[in-house]
Amino acid sequence: GQQVMQIPQYQHVQEGEDFTTYCNSSTTLSNIQWYKQRPGGHPVFLIQLVKSGEVKKQKRLTFQFGEAKKNSSLHITATQTTDVGTYFCAGSSWAGNMLTFGGGTRLMVKP
Amino acid sequence: DTEVTQTPKHLVMGMTNKKSLKCEQHMGHRAMYWYKQKAKKPPELMFVYSYEKLSINESVPSRFSPECPNSSLLNLHLHALQPEDSALYLCASSQGREFGNQPQHFGDGTRLSIL
Repeated sequence: GQQVMQIPQYQHVQEGEDFTTYCNSSTTLSNIQWYKQRPGGHPVFLIQLVKSGEVKKQKRLTFQFGEAKKNSSLHITATQTTDVGTYFCAGSSWAGNMLTFGGGTRLMVKP
Repeated sequence: DTEVTQTPKHLVMGMTNKKSLKCEQHMGHRAMYWYKQKAKKPPELMFVYSYEKLSINESVPSRFSPECPNSSLLNLHLHALQPEDSALYLCASSQGREFGNQPQHFGDGTRLSIL
């Protein structure tokens, strides 16, 4: 079955440092989505990438979808304490199939 | 504020009890989901309803019984649960049939503890 792997599992950064999490799928994806879950909260949708090589930005967050549509990354520039949480990627190999979540990367930011 | 409302927020029950979790959304979404999430793990899909019909059942034990009374409501009936069923139960919704291609909106979840 489809597998989505995410690295690293955990990342501690000093406030102001950059952060990147990587997502790799065992199969070609029709799309990849990113979610953020704050401690004690629920996953919140951040963005969806559909096209090969697509890059999207949201303020300090940059999302990329690989050319082969099998990997993706989320980069945060100059982290802030509000960025704390677990970031999940989730992908699907085709429209009618369910989303498969990666294991998540837990980001901790030291002020 | 989340647009998917789940009740109750917390639930403690014994292994012989019967209880139900409820989920409601008014975004006009026609796909609704139940996920189970253990601490420090990703959400794990349990059931998907599309247009009020059960579309996906991820081999969930029969002690969990989903129900979709109408397009806005989703219930999860619980009976004879085990301690390992203690987890955060998340409801989510998305627009329509293309489950894998549409963003999902999650509720706050019900934190369930089985004694």
